[in-house]
Amino acid sequence: QVQLQGSGPGLVKPSETLSLTCSLSGGSFTNFFWSWVRQPPGKGLEWIGYIDSSGKTNYSPSLKSRLTISIDTSNNHFSLRLSSLTAADTAVYFCARMDFWKGFHSPWGLGTLVTVSS
Amino acid sequence: QSALTQPRSVSGSPGQSVAISCTGTSSIFGTYNYVSWYQQHPGKPPKVLIYDVTQRPSGVPDRFSGSKSGLTASLTISGLQAEDEADYYCCSYGGAYTDLMFGGGTRLTVL
Repeated sequence: QVQLQGSGPGLVKPSETLSLTCSLSGGSFTNFFWSWVRQPPGKGLEWIGYIDSSGKTNYSPSLKSRLTISIDTSNNHFSLRLSSLTAADTAVYFCARMDFWKGFHSPWGLGTLVTVSS
Repeated sequence: QSALTQPRSVSGSPGQSVAISCTGTSSIFGTYNYVSWYQQHPGKPPKVLIYDVTQRPSGVPDRFSGSKSGLTASLTISGLQAEDEADYYCCSYGGAYTDLMFGGGTRLTVL
């Protein structure tokens, strides 16, 4: 079955750029969106953005100026880059498959805790 | 502060039914027609319970049901069980290549 595995640094310094990767196994990138969602400690879910298999993206307006999502279908992964980090970006970052038409997310990766601190 | 408003907490006893509301504005629910609901246990990723307002993915018990009336979507959980204690999130989406938003989340306590 489709599985997603996120990876990336657990600690990043303020003002630096966060890079996370989500590896896909057991499925194909076509006919779905591939999404990033984050969750600050003790808080709710926040949609970050998504990408389709051709590389077309849609970003949250609140993050758009700092965000790049890319996809590498040959190597079965998609990635997130978030620049100019502050403590407010500290969160668990989830990757997930997103239904193209109905927008629901399933399955999800386990999540990567990213702490922004000097 | 999310544009989709959920109660911070609800509670119920085993066997009872509870409903969790998700209230938006006409600009949100007029545009974002696809409502989904997620269950999240501590330290785990969310799990989809309902999509397209009322549809249940395979494997989700029929104790979970969704509905929408006007500007409010609802998740109803009947026959409450201890394992239903979790956080629940609604999500609204307008269709391909549009924005998506989550509600603030509701903590369900099974008494």
